[in-house]
Amino acid sequence: DVKVTQSSRYLVKRTGEKVFLECVQDMDHENMFWYRQDPGLGLRLIYFSYDVKMKEKGDIPEGYSVSREKKERFSLILESASTNQTSMYLCASSFYARRDRGTEGAFFGQGTRLTVV
Amino acid sequence: TQLLEQSPQFLSIQEGENLTVYCNSSSVFSSLQWYRQEPGEGPVLLVTVVTGGEVKKLKRLTFQFGDARKDSSLHITAAQPGDTGLYLCAGTTTSGTYKYIFGTGTRLKVLA
Repeated sequence: DVKVTQSSRYLVKRTGEKVFLECVQDMDHENMFWYRQDPGLGLRLIYFSYDVKMKEKGDIPEGYSVSREKKERFSLILESASTNQTSMYLCASSFYARRDRGTEGAFFGQGTRLTVV
Repeated sequence: TQLLEQSPQFLSIQEGENLTVYCNSSSVFSSLQWYRQEPGEGPVLLVTVVTGGEVKKLKRLTFQFGDARKDSSLHITAAQPGDTGLYLCAGTTTSGTYKYIFGTGTRLKVLA
């Protein structure tokens, strides 16, 4: 079974702190993603990576950065946490998309519920 | 901006009833996925459809991809309380990008 593991289920951080969210997958997937999920707003893509050291901005990258030094690990960094970054953060991974067939689907971690106070 | 609209947004039904959830877009997708998410957990992949008109079955769940690959439906037969959750559709476009576009979600509650 595909396993995507996020380092924490729950986190409470103070405003202004630097926050690291870690994600590891064990299926040799090329693609990795970070989303946040908020009531009424659905899943919004923050960043994604299609290869080691490669990254692209998603729809809401402001206030976030990412790091992918190894294929299996994708980290999300909140440079200076703010209260509006309180959310559920979801990491996902998938195989490389084939241009004629899209992808087979993404596999998600269990989520990290981050509260910034 | 490509959007996937799901309907209905909320659905509360009695155990044993049938239901259909719809996922619609003006864009063509090269593949489309359905996920179920339970409170406090990440979404779990249920199925992927790739061919226009394709139908896939997963026990009491039937998934269909529209002929033009712009829409999809999820039909649940004889719903059970264990089907309760948030159902999400997601698609990748024919442009060859690697991103998933997620639908707005349908929150289903099945009452015993």
